[in-house]
Amino acid sequence: NAGVTQTPKFRILKIGQSMTLQCTQDMNHNYMYWYRQDPGMGLKLIYYSVGAGITDKGEVPNGYNVSRSTTEDFPLRLELAAPSQTSVYFCASSQSGTGNTEAFFGQGTRLTVV
Amino acid sequence: QKEVEQNSGPLSVPEGAIASLNCTYSDRGSQSFFWYRQYSGKSPELIMFIYSNGDKEDGRFTAQLNKASQYVSLLIRDSQPSDSATYLCAVNIGGTYKYIFGTGTRLKVLA
Repeated sequence: NAGVTQTPKFRILKIGQSMTLQCTQDMNHNYMYWYRQDPGMGLKLIYYSVGAGITDKGEVPNGYNVSRSTTEDFPLRLELAAPSQTSVYFCASSQSGTGNTEAFFGQGTRLTVV
Repeated sequence: QKEVEQNSGPLSVPEGAIASLNCTYSDRGSQSFFWYRQYSGKSPELIMFIYSNGDKEDGRFTAQLNKASQYVSLLIRDSQPSDSATYLCAVNIGGTYKYIFGTGTRLKVLA
């Protein structure tokens, strides 16, 4: 009963490096989200997807890219890492985007850019 | 810019008391409202959702929604030390599939 799985759990990047944060869900949910959470703050929406092949920007999309080639996977790409991208990243999925069903969260990826 | 506002706290209550957590939102088109609990270093987990004006009760938790005042609250009765966590309010942006989170209120229940 995996739910939403994120990899890696921790990562340290040097400025200018690139990486992909992986997210996969096994609940056949159509809606998937990427959030970042800075210390002592709430979650900021980076990108979201309403189904395979469809993505859209959230509140803070700059410096990130996403793709959604399958229902299960929603990777987040950082092309040129900057210290401002140091944060905890959460992936989430839900059955319905605007309905009254909950979003299930992965365990998070703690990223440090130095 | 759509906003969700919460008092960051910490809100300290004695064990057994009622904890009251508040959230205001700016988008009048919002239709769904969620309360998540987040323990330190963990991912958020859903406590309750509400989409109609009034109260909704689930065990020790009651969510209250007032769309006219753009206000949603969470009451925790008989607070326990295990309730100590950050409580995040999330609001659906009307007409979209996006959910916006508040900054969270840190609750401390004192034994």
